[in-house]
Amino acid sequence: DAKTTQPPSMDCAEGRAANLPCNHSTISGNEYVYWYRQIHSQGPQYIIHGLKNNETNEMASLIITEDRKSSTLILPHATLRDTAVYYCTVNFGNEKLTFGTGTRLTIIP
Amino acid sequence: GAVVSQHPSWVICKSGTSVKIECRSLDFQATTMFWYRQFPKQSLMLMATSNEGSKATYEQGVEKDKFLINHASLTLSTLTVTSAHPEDSSFYICSAKTGTGAEAFFGQGTRLTVV
Repeated sequence: DAKTTQPPSMDCAEGRAANLPCNHSTISGNEYVYWYRQIHSQGPQYIIHGLKNNETNEMASLIITEDRKSSTLILPHATLRDTAVYYCTVNFGNEKLTFGTGTRLTIIP
Repeated sequence: GAVVSQHPSWVICKSGTSVKIECRSLDFQATTMFWYRQFPKQSLMLMATSNEGSKATYEQGVEKDKFLINHASLTLSTLTVTSAHPEDSSFYICSAKTGTGAEAFFGQGTRLTVV
């Protein structure tokens, strides 16, 4: 019983911004939103996380709605190496960290 | 970012034997470690959560006597697949985090093939 829902797949043109949505309508007040990605046959890679404010790092930006029920991961200038499965998850403290089915993002040349 | 080292990256073993997979946090202390199993074209399935010095909490349907997890220190957790069978063949991944609000870092995974 995943806590998040994401579209199964998305395409994005190389060089354009990739916007990946995530719904987490049952998120509790102290849970953080995390984004990871997994390139084929590798362990997942941490991208970004946030509690309620928008966040930006060298990889991506995270936009969290005011009610915290959804978020969007933005890859500002997608490259072919960004092709991966992107997972959104919510977590707090030492509680278990579970994953939904994720979004398979394909960057098109 | 922090580094989690998982070893071995792949292993082939005979049916009925046991296999141990190690997960080490190289530059941070991990209060919590997670073990996952992933089948082809599927998401990560959480097997168990372990906190240092405590018994692991297994997910429903995961046999604790078959998948032995030890988290003896803040930098090392091990998963032992006992009496492995071909249906245990899978990609096993560990992750570690330091606590509230911290991100989890993942090992590179171990591909287990039981023949």
